[in-house]
Amino acid sequence: DIQMTQSPSSLSASVGDRVTIACRASQGIRNDLAWYQQTPGKAPKRLIYAASSLQSGVPSRFSGSGSGTEFTLTISSLQPEDFATYYCLQHNSYPLTFGGGTKVEI
Amino acid sequence: EVQLVESGGGLIQPGGSLRLSCAASGFTISSNYIHWVRQAPGKGLEWVSVIFGGDYTYYADSVKGRFTISRDNSENTVYVQMNSLRAEDTAVYYCALNWAYWGQGTLVTVSS
Repeated sequence: DIQMTQSPSSLSASVGDRVTIACRASQGIRNDLAWYQQTPGKAPKRLIYAASSLQSGVPSRFSGSGSGTEFTLTISSLQPEDFATYYCLQHNSYPLTFGGGTKVEI
Repeated sequence: EVQLVESGGGLIQPGGSLRLSCAASGFTISSNYIHWVRQAPGKGLEWVSVIFGGDYTYYADSVKGRFTISRDNSENTVYVQMNSLRAEDTAVYYCALNWAYWGQGTLVTVSS
């Protein structure tokens, strides 16, 4: 099984900060990775697919990069509505696996 | 408009069975990947199962042999039959289309 190690598990930031979240796969997954944002009580929302493609309707301050085993999600200027938990997902091989999540707090 | 609506959750005793439904609209389930994902209270996301086409189904090790995913094309609905339920199956269960669209989730609580 492919393990997805996400870091950090939580971080404190302020509005306007640049935030970077990392995901490392235990083996190569090409660019078969997506990033999700989840707020309490809501379903996850896809931000990035194919590692670096921005989902339609998602603000351009969100960006993804990486390929193989190392991936990052960057929020260029944190906004109040971005305080949430973020997850990466590998869909390269079954069983599919999520990272453990990163909670972005004020 | 694409919409997914889960139903069938509730309180069930350990060892019991439950069938969840994922009713789809705005697209045809037969030509798309439909996944089930769960989230235990206060925990992260866990992939559960997927169905695509006729015989394409996969399961997480944690549910293999206990859960069965299926679909009814005439109802445009995907199901997951959950048997031999355990306390650790307690979670909100979401269905997702091609990883882009998600339902609102249905809560399953396994407790005596």
